[in-house]
Amino acid sequence: DIVMTQSPDSLAVSLGERATINCKSSQSVLYSAKNKNYLAWYQQKPGQPPKLLIYWASNRESGVPDRFSGSGSGTDFTLTISSLQAEDVAVYYCQQCYSSPPTFGGGTKVEIK
Amino acid sequence: QVHLVESGGGVVQPGRSLRLSCTASGFIFSSYAMHWVRQAPGKGLEWVAVLAHDGTNKYHADSVKGRFTISRDNSKNTLYLQMDSLRPDDTAVYYCAKDGERYRADYFDSWGQGTLVIVSS
Repeated sequence: DIVMTQSPDSLAVSLGERATINCKSSQSVLYSAKNKNYLAWYQQKPGQPPKLLIYWASNRESGVPDRFSGSGSGTDFTLTISSLQAEDVAVYYCQQCYSSPPTFGGGTKVEIK
Repeated sequence: QVHLVESGGGVVQPGRSLRLSCTASGFIFSSYAMHWVRQAPGKGLEWVAVLAHDGTNKYHADSVKGRFTISRDNSKNTLYLQMDSLRPDDTAVYYCAKDGERYRADYFDSWGQGTLVIVSS
């Protein structure tokens, strides 16, 4: 199974500042033939199900604010919130969909400083 | 608008069985693979099982293989998870999730609200 490792476990950011979450996979999730990284990001607020933010590492899901962006390739990926808003307080998960079983990172809790 | 509603959770003794259901609306259910994902209290997300759009191919996580079975009834727009030989470490919120692509991509673009399963004597 591909192991997904997120860092940090938690971070506190001031309103309007940038938040950066890292995700590393134990093997490459880049499918070269399609030039796609099989990596997704989710946001989970307390008491709610996860919500898809980003797929194929950098494609923003419809309706997701453009302050959320995904980058990276191969084994190293980043989710960036360019200007943190109060409603962004949540746990964020990365997930690989390159090989079965799909696996998630342990999550990063984002709070307001 | 995609809508997924899980049901069937509850408190069950170890070794007993439970069947979860997920009723879907707002999309062509028979065109998409569907998944179950679970989350133990205060923990992260764990993928449980996937079933192809037409029910032909199914896969289960090693942690539930031989005990859980995913199935679907496309005429009823409903996904199921039959859970047998339940163990305390199966305690979790179980989410039904829609695959993000028609050909199955194993990322999840819509989730239900979840149903809580507690396995305890």
